[in-house]
Amino acid sequence: DGGITQSPKYLFRKEGQNVTLSCEQNLNHDAMYWYRQDPGQGLRLIYYSQIVNDFQKGDIAEGYSVSREKKESFPLTVTSAQKNPTAFYLCASAPGTGSYEQYFGPGTRLTVT
Amino acid sequence: ILNVEQSPQSLHVQEGDSTNFTCSFPSSNFYALHWYRWETAKSPEALFVMTLNGDEKKKGRISATLNTKEGYSYLYIKGSQPEDSATYLCAFYTGTASKLTFGTGTRLQVTL
Repeated sequence: DGGITQSPKYLFRKEGQNVTLSCEQNLNHDAMYWYRQDPGQGLRLIYYSQIVNDFQKGDIAEGYSVSREKKESFPLTVTSAQKNPTAFYLCASAPGTGSYEQYFGPGTRLTVT
Repeated sequence: ILNVEQSPQSLHVQEGDSTNFTCSFPSSNFYALHWYRWETAKSPEALFVMTLNGDEKKKGRISATLNTKEGYSYLYIKGSQPEDSATYLCAFYTGTASKLTFGTGTRLQVTL
């Protein structure tokens, strides 16, 4: 089955701890994205990567970091510097950028207390 | 940051009703407009990617139109069914920076 997997579905962490969210795709897509959703807001872009070993900041990158060492994997680390980390995080991939439709994973709900 | 607006925020219709909602976006620097359907507990799923002014796309009972000169797109659902209940998102692409800007979505609920 081709698709995007995110794990875990629910994640709980204590304030001050870094946490890494997993995103894997087997669609052979070049581009990958991380979004955050908060109640009443649209999806906001955190980071994106167009090719392996390259990534760019999105609109709300502060307090997050990513890596793209393999084409199929784009993990997101939520650091202790992120002021409001509790949110729903979605990963997506696309064959290319812009006019290509994005394929989304099931999301991870992160709760930090 | 670009402003992409969707209206209404939520909509409650009865089975069989036809409905439509709007996505407004900047009319300058247009490259593509995406529509996604997001059902509860599922992943967002692409409906349409529209690139040409005057474009009209259709998938079953759902269709969309695009006006890039005035900066809006309409999504129509004919004869709504309970399985159409979802949040419908639009996203705007300017052709630069390789990223989409999403609206806040229209939440549609269809009841029997």
